[in-house]
Amino acid sequence: EDQVTQSPEALRLQEGESSSLNCSYTVSGLRGLFWYRQDPGKGPEFLFTLYSAGEEKEKERLKATLTKKESFLHITAPKPEDSATYLCAFRGGATNKLIFGTGTLLAVQP
Amino acid sequence: GAGVSQSPSNKVTEKGKDVELRCDPISGHTALYWYRQSLGQGLEFLIYFQGNSAPDKSGLPSDRFSAERTGGSVSTLTIQRTQQEDSAVYLCASSLVSPELFFGEGSRLTVL
Repeated sequence: EDQVTQSPEALRLQEGESSSLNCSYTVSGLRGLFWYRQDPGKGPEFLFTLYSAGEEKEKERLKATLTKKESFLHITAPKPEDSATYLCAFRGGATNKLIFGTGTLLAVQP
Repeated sequence: GAGVSQSPSNKVTEKGKDVELRCDPISGHTALYWYRQSLGQGLEFLIYFQGNSAPDKSGLPSDRFSAERTGGSVSTLTIQRTQQEDSAVYLCASSLVSPELFFGEGSRLTVL
């Protein structure tokens, strides 16, 4: 069965302390691995799409990478405004629906 | 408006009552999704509409749940005979051909 697992469930960082979030997946016929950010009381906001192993995407302090089994969201020198839940999702097989992981709750303290 | 609009933002109902949740997608977006997010949980896929194609209903948890999309635009998610386990935030998203989904802020449903 296609599935995605995110770790850690929660992560607390000091401002400026770089780290990585993990998204492990088992998907037949991966047609995209996606990262979203969700703030409390809001809907998720799109960050990145990755399609093939070795691909990388960057946006400000965030960089997403993809291997054949995992995706990482690297956060460099985070700021308090980076605090949010980060969700990964995949699209696989013949369907266009996105299947989401349970997310990593990131708290960045000043 | 420019974004996905959902209404009501909050709904409190009694067990056994029917509820309707509305989603107004971004104009021109052909795909529309409904997801459910329970407290502390990830997003659970419910249903997906794409243009005039038959919807993908594979995520609907029971026959008490149904959804329709009229004229390729506005969608309504209906939950009949609500149960306490239906309490959650119901999120709608729309997109064009790309996989970037634009989400609304959700409808928070509380079943007493």
